[in-house]
Amino acid sequence: DVKVTQSSRYLVKRTGEKVFLECVQDMDHENMFWYRQDPGLGLRLIYFSYDVKMKEKGDIPEGYSVSREKKERFSLILESASTNQTSMYLCASSPGGLYGYTFGSGTRLTVV
Amino acid sequence: DQQVKQNSPSLSVQEGRISILNCDYTNSMFDYFLWYKKYPAEGPTFLISISSIKDKNEDGRFTVFLNKSAKHLSLHIVPSQPGDSAVYFCAARRYTGNQFYFGTGTSLTVIP
Repeated sequence: DVKVTQSSRYLVKRTGEKVFLECVQDMDHENMFWYRQDPGLGLRLIYFSYDVKMKEKGDIPEGYSVSREKKERFSLILESASTNQTSMYLCASSPGGLYGYTFGSGTRLTVV
Repeated sequence: DQQVKQNSPSLSVQEGRISILNCDYTNSMFDYFLWYKKYPAEGPTFLISISSIKDKNEDGRFTVFLNKSAKHLSLHIVPSQPGDSAVYFCAARRYTGNQFYFGTGTSLTVIP
């Protein structure tokens, strides 16, 4: 089975801190995605990547950046955390085409 | 703009009865659809898919129906079990597209 691993299950950070959320997949998938899940808003795409060093903005990229230096790793960066970035963050990977996504277990980030 | 909508945020059903979860989409170019199930503190997991060349797909207790003219799909769970209690997301994409678009989710509670 494909495994998508997110480095932290729970994080608490202070406003203004730089925050790194790490995601690693072990099945050589081309595509990786970062979503956030908020009540009533569902899953919203922040950024995605088709290949190493490539990235595309999703629906809500403001306040975030990403890095994909290796195929298996896709990092989400909050340059200066704010309280409205308190959310559940979900990483996913996919081999592309019509294959669905495999999600990680999520990181619950609280910004205080 | 939400291209995939789940208008019922929550649903409660008695154990053994049928659960019907609904999903509407606005983009007539969407031609491939998935349902995901999500337990608290876990990532979403793939449940069932359907392509636009079909109007029904079954997998055990789960059946997805697609009505292309109405831009509507539904997930039927029969019989419902307490372990089905979770948040269900529908997702849609174009065959030639880059990403799946997710709905806002419906929280299903199956009452023993």
